[in-house]
Amino acid sequence: NAGVTQTPKFQVLKTGQSMTLQCAQDMNHEYMSWYRQDPGMGLRLIHYSVGAGITDQGEVPNGYNVSRSTTEDFPLRLLSAAPSQTSVYFCASRAGHFTPHSPLHFGNGTRLTVT
Amino acid sequence: AQRVTQPEKLLSVFKGAPVELKCNYSYSGSPELFWYVQYSRQRLQLLLRHISRESIKGFTADLNKGETSFHLKKPFAQEEDSAMYYCALSDSGGSNYKLTFGKGTLLTVNP
Repeated sequence: NAGVTQTPKFQVLKTGQSMTLQCAQDMNHEYMSWYRQDPGMGLRLIHYSVGAGITDQGEVPNGYNVSRSTTEDFPLRLLSAAPSQTSVYFCASRAGHFTPHSPLHFGNGTRLTVT
Repeated sequence: AQRVTQPEKLLSVFKGAPVELKCNYSYSGSPELFWYVQYSRQRLQLLLRHISRESIKGFTADLNKGETSFHLKKPFAQEEDSAMYYCALSDSGGSNYKLTFGKGTLLTVNP
């Protein structure tokens, strides 16, 4: 099992460009989520999904879109990149949204720089 | 709203000394609490969860509902414990079970 796979590992964008961060998991997890990690801010939830076709906003959703057309994939789209979106992005999944004690499985992260 | 507070951004101890990473939470329901760890150049991973009442790598954490705390402790720190530690809380009362993280504590264990 590969677990949670994120691509790319690194990306540099110019202000105003758009891009999609890919996330795939092969554990048949219902729950998937995107976090951003910033120094001094910890991990903040951007968007999450409790199953295919269902998404919802987290703590910091502005400037990001998500979709969940399959159980495996949960891409994060930056519509018009801004320097404030420079961050490390983590995708994470967990088994079933009715199992609150199940742990999150994280990807390796995508380091995004917006100039 | 649920909130997790880790009051120390940085914590530095010497090898063999006891270590305690503090975590306080705010939540109106019955929380599910976790500690996650991120070692240098590795992905975030679960260290332990309160429901399991387990000891992992010598670390333990006890949920104190009266003080709304879930502090992480280890009696004798090792250099390989140096990492970023995150306390996290899961909403167990709703239907989405979002995980809320604290801001993290960077632990450095000096030789």
